[in-house]
Amino acid sequence: GDSVTQMEGPVTLSEEAFLTINCTYTATGYPSLFWYVQYPGEGLQLLLKATKADDKGSNKGFEATYRKETTSFHLEKGSVQVSDSAVYFCALPPNQGGSEKLVFGKGTKLTVNP
Amino acid sequence: KAGVTQTPRYLIKTRGQQVTLSCSPISGHRSVSWYQQTPGQGLQFLFEYFSETQRNKGNFPGRFSGRQFSNSRSEMNVSTLELGDSALYLCASSLGQGPPGELFFGEGSRLTVL
Repeated sequence: GDSVTQMEGPVTLSEEAFLTINCTYTATGYPSLFWYVQYPGEGLQLLLKATKADDKGSNKGFEATYRKETTSFHLEKGSVQVSDSAVYFCALPPNQGGSEKLVFGKGTKLTVNP
Repeated sequence: KAGVTQTPRYLIKTRGQQVTLSCSPISGHRSVSWYQQTPGQGLQFLFEYFSETQRNKGNFPGRFSGRQFSNSRSEMNVSTLELGDSALYLCASSLGQGPPGELFFGEGSRLTVL
């Protein structure tokens, strides 16, 4: 079935460092792809999305490009801040149609130190 | 506008008891999904309701059930609690008719089973 694999971390960086969190997917067809973020003690919130191949999603300085050749959707940020410390989840809707179900990766915990 | 509200936020139960969790979606949202989040298994889809009908269901035993009311509020119930049911239960709402995957999550109900 459709699935998502992401690097599990944890990842620890210093402020202003470059961030990459890898995400690859297995899917039937070309589903939309998502990155969600979960800050400590909170629920998940949508960070960015891409709906078709070669689309680039971006938000709050984060970017991810939908690469169908490598079935990847890696998350990047050029300069992280302490406030970016959170758990990041890559996700896709499985090919079932008419449902809001999402399949999530295991999550990558990011800690940014000042 | 108000976000997704989950109650209670924290609860402690003992094995064999049952629990009911509540979720009030964003006004106008007709889809409510439930997820279980644990350190070992990550985020796992429980079920989704749209307009009072279960539209999709994950691979959980029959002890896990849910329902949705005419005002789109949803409840999930877990009967005969087991230690392994200790988790953060997240509810997410969406319009339910647009592109899949843009979910709005509540802060969760943290269940501890002793």
